Amino acid sequence: AQSVTQLDSQVPVFEEAPVELRCNYSSSVSVYLFWYVQYPNQGLQLLLKYLSGSTLVKGINGFEAEFNKSQTSFHLRKPSVHISDTAEYFCAVGFQKLVFGTGTRLLVSP
Amino acid sequence: DTGVSQNPRHKITKRGQNVTFRCDPISEHNRLYWYRQTLGQGPEFLTYFQNEAQLEKSRLLSDRFSAERPKGSFSTLEIQRTEQGDSAMYLCASSPPTSGSTDTQYFGPGTRLTVL
Repeated sequence: AQSVTQLDSQVPVFEEAPVELRCNYSSSVSVYLFWYVQYPNQGLQLLLKYLSGSTLVKGINGFEAEFNKSQTSFHLRKPSVHISDTAEYFCAVGFQKLVFGTGTRLLVSP
Repeated sequence: DTGVSQNPRHKITKRGQNVTFRCDPISEHNRLYWYRQTLGQGPEFLTYFQNEAQLEKSRLLSDRFSAERPKGSFSTLEIQRTEQGDSAMYLCASSPPTSGSTDTQYFGPGTRLTVL
């Protein structure tokens, strides 16, 4: 069985500050990990994914994530956030069938 | 590439009524997925198709739920005798053919169902 834990339900941050959204996973098979973003009233958009290879994955909009097998983590980071990054962020694990975490709401204020 | 489309975007119905949602995947995507998302939660997998074959169904998909994908193109999700607990956002996603590994699922905007 696979599962994902997103440790923070909400992360407030000021514009231009760095941010880290935490994700821990559990999986008994090969791990494929994803981060999706959901803006209000919109569908999910893929930010980045880890399938294999380099443990540091770069995605769109300046986001990156690091796969850490020993800590079973896949934390999402951005060095400098913008107001427009305010959204819900979901970590997911899976192969075909994705298992999502409960999401982290990123609130960027001026 | 027009993306995954879903219709209707919103549906309000009374308890006990039947509803049907439609999903049109990205052209040439052979895999199609349905998820359900309730308020404050992440999406939960319901079922998925490869071409016209339904390959997996979640235990969340009770007997009142049925999904089809005739001819391997668009898909429909029908809920019979709706209950208030069915109120949720129903998300559809599609992914392209791959050589055996997983690939990116592209999500549609969802259909928000409200059961009164």
